[in-house]
Amino acid sequence: QTVVTQEPSFSVSPGGTVTLTCGLSSGSVSTGYYPSWYQQTPGQAPRTLIHSTNTRSSGVPDRFSGSILGNKAALTITGAQADDESDYYCVLYMGSVMVFGGGTKLTVL
Amino acid sequence: QVQLQESGPGLVKPSETLSLTCTVSGGSISGYYWSWIRQAAGKGLEWMGRIYSSGSTNYNPSLKSRVTMSVDTSKNQFSLKMNSVTAADTAVYYCARGQTAMVYWGQGTLVTVSS
Repeated sequence: QTVVTQEPSFSVSPGGTVTLTCGLSSGSVSTGYYPSWYQQTPGQAPRTLIHSTNTRSSGVPDRFSGSILGNKAALTITGAQADDESDYYCVLYMGSVMVFGGGTKLTVL
Repeated sequence: QVQLQESGPGLVKPSETLSLTCTVSGGSISGYYWSWIRQAAGKGLEWMGRIYSSGSTNYNPSLKSRVTMSVDTSKNQFSLKMNSVTAADTAVYYCARGQTAMVYWGQGTLVTVSS
């Protein structure tokens, strides 16, 4: 069974840049997996940041960007702010099913 | 603006069937894919499955034996049923729209499985 992998935790300084990744336990992530990214704060529904690798959802600031880096999908946050401290999840579309990664807890300090 | 709202019992007894409905407003249910996602307390998100407005479905293989999704285009609603629930099915359940990603989300509803 294919597992979608994410870093369990990451930290970034305010104003800094951080790249979170989304990989596969076996194989490489490509645009054909339509990687998407979601931000979730405690008690709230997820917010869609990026879909189809690099398309920002409506209202998402351009300091959030998506890409493919090597064999993984990536979410880059440029100029991190305190309210970016959240859990971040990626999803890969595998034909007829979607699979979530385990999530990355991002700390801004 | 498309809005989704989950509804259903907040408490279900073990071994019984969990039933939830998602009502779509601000847009038609037709022509789109609709998913259910859940999240147990302190855990990650789990995609449960999706239904197209025509009624075709795809389910998470780990839940496929217990899950049924349906759609009612006349009411702009789609539904989730999961049988033989246990305490492990206690979670916040979200509905969402999207084919290759979840673009619109409901606010979620907590379902507790307990006697």
